[in-house]
Amino acid sequence: SQTIHQWPATLVQPVGSPLSLECTVEGTSNPNLYWYRQAAGRGLQLLFYSVGIGQISSEVPQNLSASRPQDRQFILSSKKLLLSDSGFYLCAWSSGQDNSPLHFGNGTRLTVT
Amino acid sequence: GQNIDQPTEMTATEGAIVQINCTYQTSGFNGLFWYQQHAGEAPTFLSYNVLDGLEEKGRFSSFLSRSKGYSYLLLKELQMKDSASYLCAVGRGGYNKLIFGAGTRLAVHP
Repeated sequence: SQTIHQWPATLVQPVGSPLSLECTVEGTSNPNLYWYRQAAGRGLQLLFYSVGIGQISSEVPQNLSASRPQDRQFILSSKKLLLSDSGFYLCAWSSGQDNSPLHFGNGTRLTVT
Repeated sequence: GQNIDQPTEMTATEGAIVQINCTYQTSGFNGLFWYQQHAGEAPTFLSYNVLDGLEEKGRFSSFLSRSKGYSYLLLKELQMKDSASYLCAVGRGGYNKLIFGAGTRLAVHP
């Protein structure tokens, strides 16, 4: 069966510091991978998606970047965090087949102080 | 652009039935998904509709009308553990990209 791991679970970082969140998927090959952010009381916002190694598409302009160095590894980064980067970050995967659902990791709660 | 609307909060009684509505406007429609999210946890997949009609899965059913841009999630025989947020999401374009509504927070009372 497929599993998705995301870490760390919680993170408190000062403004201006760098960020690196990691996500790995097991039990499947060539998955589509996604990064979402959920602000308090709001819906999930799609930040990035990837359909293959080194292929990254950005949905919204922002202070963040994403990379996919390996087939089942997806990394979310920032060089300098802003207060507005606080939120609940969720990594997800899908099989890539049409209309297949997204399966989410347990998320990282980021607080920028 | 895309717009997904669902009620912010609902309350219901244990053992009852509740219907959570979702309306959407989007280009490149590619299916309607429902997720459950308990507080502080990740969303979990509940159901999916791509054709008009009702899909039943145990205590949960989901309905879609593409011409009306409308879906609902029906929860029967409510249990206390069903207290959670329910997220309506629309598949848009290719690559299984999902656009989410803000979610409906359901509180089930004894």
